[in-house]
Amino acid sequence: SAVISQKPSRDICQRGTSLTIQCQVDSQVTMMFWYRQQPGQSLTLIATANQGSEATYESGFVIDKFPISRPNLTFSTLTVSNMSPEDSSIYLCSVDIQGLDGYTFGSGTRLTVV
Amino acid sequence: GENVEQHPSTLSVQEGDSAVIKCTYSDSASNYFPWYKQELGKRPQLIIDIRSNVGEKKDQRIAVTLNKTAKHFSLHITETQPEDSAVYFCAAGGGSNYKLTFGKGTLLTVNP
Repeated sequence: SAVISQKPSRDICQRGTSLTIQCQVDSQVTMMFWYRQQPGQSLTLIATANQGSEATYESGFVIDKFPISRPNLTFSTLTVSNMSPEDSSIYLCSVDIQGLDGYTFGSGTRLTVV
Repeated sequence: GENVEQHPSTLSVQEGDSAVIKCTYSDSASNYFPWYKQELGKRPQLIIDIRSNVGEKKDQRIAVTLNKTAKHFSLHITETQPEDSAVYFCAAGGGSNYKLTFGKGTLLTVNP
C-alpha cells in the first residue's frame, strides 16, 4: 500500500500568519486530494491537486486562502493563508492508487490558530 | 455534486452482537464506495471498499453490500469486539473526477 508522509504533524500558529503543509508519497500518483476535518466532524474536500495544472477547488474554498502546489507526481503542498481561529482543524492529504488499495490518507496535520 | 447521508450517527452494541451502518448517495455516476475507520487522534483507515460492479464483499467479520438501483450501501460488522469501537465513515465517488464525498460518520461503541 502507499506510504504517505505528511508534515508537520501539528502546529500552533498566530492568527494572520500562514502555514504550509507538505505531503510526500512513495509512488507516483496522478491525483492528490486535500481534506479538512474540523473537530468531531467528517472530512471535507478542499481541493484536488493535479500535476501540471491548477488545483480544482470545492465550493467554499478559494485559491487565495488555500494555495496548493503540485510540482511532481509524488509531492504536494497546501498553504493555509492569513489564518484565523476558524481554520483550526486537521488537514489531511489523500491519494488514490487505482486498483491497489483505494484512497489512502496521510497522518494529518493538527493546526491550532491562536 | 454528490451527497452522502449516513445513519445512525451513534451506535452502541454489546460485544459479540452485529452492527450495521447505512449510507445513501445521490450521484448515479459514483462507482466506488469505501468505508473508513477512524480511531481517536488517528487518520482514517480504509477497512473495506466495493465497486459498482459487485453487490457484496466480505472480509472476515466485515461485509459491505451495495444496491445501485436504490443508491444505498451498508457496512456490516459481525461478532463485534471492543477494539471495533471507533468512528466509521462511508464515502462515495470515483467518477470522472475521482474525488470522494464522505458521510458524517457513525460513532460505534462496543460494550464489553
